[in-house]
Order: sequence, then structure tokens, then C-alpha cells
Amino acid sequence: QKEVEQNSGPLSVPEGAIASLNCTYSDRGSQSFFWYRQYSGKSPELIMSIYSNGDKEDGRFTAQLNKASQYVSLLIRDSQPSDSATYLCAVEYGNKLVFGAGTILRVKS
Amino acid sequence: NAGVTQTPKFQVLKTGQSMTLQCAQDMNHNSMYWYRQDPGMGLRLIYYSASEGTTDKGEVPNGYNVSRLNKREFSLRLESAAPSQTSVYFCASSGVGVSYEQYFGPGTRLTVT
Repeated sequence: QKEVEQNSGPLSVPEGAIASLNCTYSDRGSQSFFWYRQYSGKSPELIMSIYSNGDKEDGRFTAQLNKASQYVSLLIRDSQPSDSATYLCAVEYGNKLVFGAGTILRVKS
Repeated sequence: NAGVTQTPKFQVLKTGQSMTLQCAQDMNHNSMYWYRQDPGMGLRLIYYSASEGTTDKGEVPNGYNVSRLNKREFSLRLESAAPSQTSVYFCASSGVGVSYEQYFGPGTRLTVT
């Protein structure tokens, strides 16, 4: 059974702070990792992909991958109320993705 | 570029009725997927099609059938709907050489009474 685990939250942070979202996965063979953002009532939107150990930055978002620890994280700098959403971690297994249940992020103004 | 489109957006069925959910993509992607999303359970894969002419079961295929009509279109059929199939259904697609990045349609909210 391929598993992707996330803390369901909600994670509450004040506006302007750094939000840190975490994800662990069960299969050491996975090579591709993704973060999706999902607003209430909407479909998941891809915001970050990461394939190598280390950090990958895109604007206010930084994805971090540690394959040895089977851990992937997403940092959101200067959090805004518009970042309030559910963040889904997805891990590639073969030619499919397995999704975590998501972490609810609330950014308070 | 519309991306991934799904019809209908909303549907109410009675137990035992059948229906087909339609999905189309205009990104020339090879692979297409059907998921259901239930509260607290995340996205679960129902069926997928790695390429035109192939389909495979995902995590929760019981009660569903699929057809990969051509490279653009992938439909999901409920032959005899059950209340347990009340859910939000998402279609997604991914292309070759982009390491499985998937792009989602807007979803169909289905209620079975």
C-alpha cells in the first residue's frame, strides 16, 4: 500500500509569516513529488514540482525534498489571506500519483 | 486553450440510475485519470489511461467503467448508481516527458439519493 501522510490541520498563521507544510511517503522508489493547492469548491491546482533532493524555489514558494528521510515540505513565505486553502502533497508511484488527504492552511489578517 | 473540461458540473441521480461523466483535454496529453474526492479522504484514483487504447484500474474501480474514446476524451460510466458514489469527481491529464505533472478539470459534483 503506497501511502502519503499529511497533517490535516488546520494550520493557522498570521499574515506575513512563513507557513510550513509537511508530507511523508512510504515508497523509497518514488522520483517525482508535487504540491497542489485546492480552494474550497474548486479543483486542485499544481503549484510546485520537485524531483531532486534539496530546495526548489518559485516566488514565495519553496519545496524541499529529502529522499533519505522520505519527506517533502512546502514553505510559503510572506503568507497572504489568499493563500488560505487546502494543500495536497502528491507522490509518483509508477505512472500514477498518490495524494495525501491535504493540510488546511488558514492565514489570518 | 481550455485545458481539461468536464461535463456535467452537477448531477443528481436516483439509486440504480446510470450516467456517463465526460472529460476532454486539449493539451495533447497521453495520460488521463479519473479521481473521486470525499471529505477527509483526499483524492482516490478510480481508473486511468496511460495512453490511447489502454485503461487500468486504480484504487477504487468497483461500480465504474471507463472508455478512452480517443486521445482527447476519457469518459467515466456509473452503470447502477449507489449512494456510496456520492462524491466530487475530477478528471486529470498528464503529458509525456513532464514527469507525471497532472492537470485537473473543474470537477463534477454528483449526488445519489
